[in-house]
Amino acid sequence: DAGITQSPRYKITETGRQVTLMCHQTWSHSYMFWYRQDLGHGLRLIYYSAAADITDKGEVPDGYVVSRSKTENFPLTLESATRSQTSVYFCASSEAPFSGRADTQYFGPGTRLTVL
Amino acid sequence: GIQVEQSPPDLILQEGANSTLRCNFSDSVNNLQWFHRNPWGQLINLFYIPSGTKQNGRLSATTVATERYSLLYISSSQTTDSGVYFCAVPSGGYNKLIFGAGTRLAVHP
Repeated sequence: DAGITQSPRYKITETGRQVTLMCHQTWSHSYMFWYRQDLGHGLRLIYYSAAADITDKGEVPDGYVVSRSKTENFPLTLESATRSQTSVYFCASSEAPFSGRADTQYFGPGTRLTVL
Repeated sequence: GIQVEQSPPDLILQEGANSTLRCNFSDSVNNLQWFHRNPWGQLINLFYIPSGTKQNGRLSATTVATERYSLLYISSSQTTDSGVYFCAVPSGGYNKLIFGAGTRLAVHP
């Protein structure tokens, strides 16, 4: 299906385990983003990527690792999950700049992660 | 960095009522988006509205960029309108969005 997808949609894991959340988009958007959404905080940017092999930290990167070997995929890894990482995670993508609608981000359906 | 504030933080409506949600931002922006996180957890783009007014069904939005605010109007609310509404503005060179804390809306039948 066209668009932006995330998997898994729901995940329960234990403290200390490694977890990878997948994000895939079919639009060939250059920019991709990972956010977490927690009560009282809105959405906070974890990491973003301007293109394949180009990534950078956002507002709350600690405890997370990303990679972008292919334009369409942007996995987010929690190397050693902690309870404070229990959250809903959203992936987003947007077009390259100077295209007129470059500032519009399109969001995936989200992954609800629970760390016990 | 730019600050985004939304009000009210919580809103309870009876089905059929109208409401106005507000988003204030602390610096000039060239774009603003409204999102709805619905009761099923999905985050939906509602409007891309750097200025002016747009309408989509029962929803409309107005951004007054010179006064640094945007309003989201919901008319004839329905229970499916429940959820959290976010506004977001860009910051930085990589299309990063800064989100407000959201307005939590509950529409009761």
